[in-house]
Amino acid sequence: NAGVTQTPKFRVLKTGQSMTLLCAQDMNHEYMYWYRQDPGMGLRLIHYSVGEGTTAKGEVPDGYNVSRLKKQNFLLGLESAAPSQTSVYFCASRDYGTADTQYFGPGTRLTVL
Amino acid sequence: KNEVEQSPQNLTAQEGEFITINCSYSVGISALHWLQQHPGGGIVSLFMLSSGKKKHGRLIATINIQEKHSSLHITASHPRDSAVYICAVTKNSGGSNYKLTFGKGTLLTVNP
Repeated sequence: NAGVTQTPKFRVLKTGQSMTLLCAQDMNHEYMYWYRQDPGMGLRLIHYSVGEGTTAKGEVPDGYNVSRLKKQNFLLGLESAAPSQTSVYFCASRDYGTADTQYFGPGTRLTVL
Repeated sequence: KNEVEQSPQNLTAQEGEFITINCSYSVGISALHWLQQHPGGGIVSLFMLSSGKKKHGRLIATINIQEKHSSLHITASHPRDSAVYICAVTKNSGGSNYKLTFGKGTLLTVNP
């Protein structure tokens, strides 16, 4: 039982390059989330999904796209990376039962030069 | 103004001290969460509260719904408690219960 995993752990991009971050969970959770964490800003929601095939915008969706083709996977794409997207990205899945707990992945540190 | 405010932003304590971190919120909520993030590390959920008080080991979390306030207490603090503690809420307005709204975190440093 791996919980929530993220790939890759680190990445350096040049401005304008594209990449996809992969999040996978093995807990059969319906809800999944992508956050970014910046110094002094706290966690901010980029996009989220309430089930397979669904996605919705969070607080800071511009410059990102997501897909949830399979229940266990939630992909975050950057089509044309910008230095402002330098951040640590966290994926999470949520047990919306009585525990109502979010389980976070280990994070991806992305630097855009 | 942020919907979830934490205080203090930074806290330094000596090993063994009793620690309190506060969280105030300005919206109606269905639940409040406390999370822990060690330096360079991942984020772990500590508590989910909708009322009253919960205890896990040396950690105690309380919530006062009327005052829109929660506290996280650490008894007999230890250097391994050094981390960022994050308060988050699930708002109870329609469509918002899918998401958490986060405070900016409190950085706790416990010195030996």
